[in-house]
Amino acid sequence: KQEVTQIPAALSVPEGENLVLNCSFTDSAIYNLQWFRQDPGKGLTSLLLIQSSQREQTSGRLNASLDKSSGRSTLYIAASQPGDSATYLCAVNGLTFGKGTHLIIQP
Amino acid sequence: GAGVSQSPSNKVTEKGKDVELRCDPISGHTALYWYRQSLGQGLEFLIYFQGNSAPDKSGLPSDRFSAERTGGSVSTLTIQRTQQEDSAVYLCASSFVFSGESSYNSPLHFGNGTRLTVT
Repeated sequence: KQEVTQIPAALSVPEGENLVLNCSFTDSAIYNLQWFRQDPGKGLTSLLLIQSSQREQTSGRLNASLDKSSGRSTLYIAASQPGDSATYLCAVNGLTFGKGTHLIIQP
Repeated sequence: GAGVSQSPSNKVTEKGKDVELRCDPISGHTALYWYRQSLGQGLEFLIYFQGNSAPDKSGLPSDRFSAERTGGSVSTLTIQRTQQEDSAVYLCASSFVFSGESSYNSPLHFGNGTRLTVT
């Protein structure tokens, strides 16, 4: 059974810093891995989707990497802004989600 | 519509009553998913549809839960004889193709959820 773990559970950093969020999964036979953000009281917004044949995807200040063999993905956020404050979740195949990292960017 | 729409946004019901939650996916999306998010818990996958068919119902928590999808579009999640432990936010998502069997670039689009409170 696939299990997804996200570390850290919470993170608070000053504005402007670069940061990395981690996602690990137990079964490397995946089709895709997606990163989402969730704002309070809202649904999830898709940030990046990495297909199994890809190593990374980039969108603006966000870069996600995928290493299937080690069962890891990272989300790199460059030059963080207060508007980046949210909970970030990763999901394998759209079916198994981590519990998320609650991110606070201090102005 | 432009996005995934869920209704109602909030539902308060008494224990033992039945409730119906509705999801209207993005037009043209063949796959539709239901999840449950409880306080302090992660996102729990319940069921998915490919077209009108739900190939795997094993994620539904009990036989009080059922779901259907008609016309390849709107889906309803029904909870019969609600219990307090059913209180949660129920989220719906849709994608162009089913994400669980394809490496196709088909991200999930989520609705804002229905917050269900069973008193």
